[in-house]
Amino acid sequence: DQQVKQNSPSLSVQEGRISILNCDYTNSMFDYFLWYKKYPAEGPTFLISISSIKDKNEDGRFTVFLNKSAKHLSLHIVPSQPGDSAVYFCAASVASGGSYIPTFGRGTSLIVHP
Amino acid sequence: DGGITQSPKYLFRKEGQNVTLSCEQNLNHDAMYWYRQDPGQGLRLIYYSQIVNDFQKGDIAEGYSVSREKKESFPLTVTSAQKNPTAFYLCASSILGGGFQPQHFGDGTRLSIL
Repeated sequence: DQQVKQNSPSLSVQEGRISILNCDYTNSMFDYFLWYKKYPAEGPTFLISISSIKDKNEDGRFTVFLNKSAKHLSLHIVPSQPGDSAVYFCAASVASGGSYIPTFGRGTSLIVHP
Repeated sequence: DGGITQSPKYLFRKEGQNVTLSCEQNLNHDAMYWYRQDPGQGLRLIYYSQIVNDFQKGDIAEGYSVSREKKESFPLTVTSAQKNPTAFYLCASSILGGGFQPQHFGDGTRLSIL
């Protein structure tokens, strides 16, 4: 039973346009939500996070929105660039002994066309 | 340059053999983690450790073993009891405490069965 779901396996966007990646979760106990970006044959790199007490967090071209009532979060990339082409993992975490251990979704492969 | 080093990048195993994947970090992080990624799947937690000489099972620990004799090292052994070991294995580390801290990942080891 997946606690974190990314229902779109892939997304194709033109350079300069907005990319919107979506994620749903089922566990209302999650404290933090985060996005990781992964290139082929590399490990994921942390992109952006949001606390459960906020509804928006922005970092440059990347903005994450959290809708707790709908148990939904989204990542907006504006404007999209070809270098953004990667797999994006949504994750949600709870505190465990001082560390936040994330539960990952299956990922969405973003392709940004020039 | 601080980071996480996983070796080897590619590993082949004969059926019935144990094999050990190496993970070393020089970030001075207390917590270390092992994940498994299968095609079309998210990252699933195998084991994690928050302190030297202590570790906890994750969601899919069966057929795996770990040790944490040094802060900077967290090797994973894939035993012959793991019936489907072919996968991409990722090691991660994070700071403990002080609120949310994201995980830092290595570049992974791809294990294949001959």
